[in-house]
Amino acid sequence: QKEVEQNSGPLSVPEGAIASLNCTYSDRVSQSFFWYRQYSGKSPELIMSIYSNGDKEDGRFTAQLNKASQYVSLLIRDSQPSDSATYLCAVNAGGYNKLIFGAGTRLAVHP
Amino acid sequence: EAQVTQNPRYLITVTGKKLTVTCSQNMNHEYMSWYRQDPGLGLRQIYYSMNVEVTDKGDVPEGYKVSRKEKRNFPLILESPSPNQTSLYFCASSSPVRGDEQYFGPGTRLTVT
Repeated sequence: QKEVEQNSGPLSVPEGAIASLNCTYSDRVSQSFFWYRQYSGKSPELIMSIYSNGDKEDGRFTAQLNKASQYVSLLIRDSQPSDSATYLCAVNAGGYNKLIFGAGTRLAVHP
Repeated sequence: EAQVTQNPRYLITVTGKKLTVTCSQNMNHEYMSWYRQDPGLGLRQIYYSMNVEVTDKGDVPEGYKVSRKEKRNFPLILESPSPNQTSLYFCASSSPVRGDEQYFGPGTRLTVT
């Protein structure tokens, strides 16, 4: 059974701090990795995708991938209260259109 | 505006009464999927479709049917709903260029009593 594990949280950080969200996955052949943000009652929104080892930066967001350790992380710099949401890690499970999602980490950014 | 739409957004029904949740996308995407989201379990794929008339089971297909007769539409059918199908349902679509980057509809909250 392919799995994606995330700490459910809540992860509480003060405004302006760096939020670090982590994800591990079980399938060594996974090639594509994603972070989705989901506000309460809303649909998941793709915020980052990463396909190769290392860091990928997009604005305040940095995704980090370590395939040897089967580990993906998302860093949010200068966290804002509007970043408060659940962050879902998703991993390709072989072939297109097949993603395995973690249960999500709830992030709370307090002023 | 590029989007995935679902209808209805909210539905309360009774056990055994057949229902259909519609999904439509205007991005000419070939790939479409249905997910259900339950507390603590995350998003689980029910069915997916690679193209018109091409569908396959996801991880939790029991009790659901789908069809893909047109590229833009991918309805989810519950022939005989049961209370354990009470959930939040999402339709998603993606393009063959980046098939894994899926874009989600607004969700349908279904309650089966």
